[in-house]
Amino acid sequence: GNSVTQMEGPVTLSEEAFLTINCTYTATGYPSLFWYVQYPGEGLQLLLKATKADDKGSNKGFEATYRKETTSFHLEKGSVQVSDSAVYFCALSDYGGSQGNLIFGKGTKLSVKP
Amino acid sequence: EADIYQTPRYLVIGTGKKITLECSQTMGHDKMYWYQQDPGMELHLIHYSYGVNSTEKGDLSSESTVSRIRTEHFPLTLESARPSHTSQYLCASSGGLAGAYEQYFGPGTRLTVT
Repeated sequence: GNSVTQMEGPVTLSEEAFLTINCTYTATGYPSLFWYVQYPGEGLQLLLKATKADDKGSNKGFEATYRKETTSFHLEKGSVQVSDSAVYFCALSDYGGSQGNLIFGKGTKLSVKP
Repeated sequence: EADIYQTPRYLVIGTGKKITLECSQTMGHDKMYWYQQDPGMELHLIHYSYGVNSTEKGDLSSESTVSRIRTEHFPLTLESARPSHTSQYLCASSGGLAGAYEQYFGPGTRLTVT
C-alpha cells in the first residue's frame, strides 16, 4: 500500500542554518506530493506541492523536488528563521491507491534557536 | 473569504457526556475529513465524506460518528465521552480537482475528557 516515511525529529538548528527534512514514499500510481506545516496551536497549512516527476514546489523560501527515480520529496531551506519553528508533514495523494485521500508521514518537529 | 471553521477550539468535558464537534467550510468542497492527532503529532484519518449523504470510516477505528447533510457542514459526535477520547481533532476539506487533492485544514479542536 501507499506510505510516506520522513525523518524523525526533533530537529534543532541555529538561525540561518541550512535545513533538510528527508521524505521518501511508496505509491502504486502517480501520486501528487505535498509538504504541510503546523505551527503551535494551529491546524495544518499547505506549504508546497508537486504533481508530477521533476516538478519543484516552492514557497516562503522552502523548496522540494519530486524525484521519481529515488521516490523522494525532500524539503529544503537555505536559511531558517526562528519563525520557521513548527512541525512539518510530508504527504502523498494517489487516486489509484488511496482514493485521493492524503497519506501523511509522522511529522518532523523543527526548533530554530536565535 | 473562503475558509474552514471548527468550534469549539477547546473543550473540557466530563466522562459520559455527549459532545458534537462542529466543522464548516465556505469553499464549496465536496470532500471533507476528520483526523485525530495524538500527542506525538501523528495524524490518523477517522472519517471522511465525498459528498452529501456519503460518509466512510477512516484508517483508525473511532467510536465517533459523523453526518453530512449539507455540503458545507461535517459535524463529529461522541455519544459518551471517555478519557481515551482526549486528543486534538482536525477537520479538512478538499476540492478534489484531478491531479491536486490538496486538503485545507481548520484550526482544530482540543478535547479533554476528565
